[in-house]
Amino acid sequence: EADIYQTPRYLVIGTGKKITLECSQTMGHDKMYWYQQDPGMELHLIHYSYGVNSTEKGDLSSESTVSRIRTEHFPLTLESARPSHTSQYLCASSEPYAELQQYFGPGTRLTVT
Amino acid sequence: GENVEQHPSTLSVQEGDSAVIKCTYSDSASNYFPWYKQELGKRPQLIIDIRSNVGEKKDQRIAVTLNKTAKHFSLHITETQPEDSAVYFCAAENGGFKTIFGAGTRLFVKA
Repeated sequence: EADIYQTPRYLVIGTGKKITLECSQTMGHDKMYWYQQDPGMELHLIHYSYGVNSTEKGDLSSESTVSRIRTEHFPLTLESARPSHTSQYLCASSEPYAELQQYFGPGTRLTVT
Repeated sequence: GENVEQHPSTLSVQEGDSAVIKCTYSDSASNYFPWYKQELGKRPQLIIDIRSNVGEKKDQRIAVTLNKTAKHFSLHITETQPEDSAVYFCAAENGGFKTIFGAGTRLFVKA
């Protein structure tokens, strides 16, 4: 079944730890995104990718980094987590020039203590 | 820079009434306008979209209208039901390159 997956769904971690949030999609989409969203609030774009080996920073300044080595995989890494990183992180993908709509993953709720 | 303004931020209606959410965009190259619904604790999901060569689109109780000259588009929900309660996001996209989301509208439908 075509879908977009995120792991972990929930994560509680101490300040200073390095973490990687995983995102995978089985739809073969070229374009992928990472958003930061406090529950029910605005979607803030933090990173996006047009395809393999392409990564761009979004509108919201972020201390995270991303990589795109495979089409289906778009992990986000925080080198040193801080309480200000506490939020929900949503991954999404889309097929440019075709459907255009974004398919969102279920999200990772991150709490940094 | 490019932006999408969405109004109102909160909307409360009685069950059975209509709800209208409005968005304006600044990038004249925008040609795709999706609407996403996000229920509490869930992911945003597309409910309807419209492309720039169409002025109106309807799907059962929801409809979207687009005025390219004025650069605004609206979501209309008729005969609202409690399950329509959610946060709704509009967006404007310019051909698959850049998507700008509105800030969201929290809709409450009172039974």
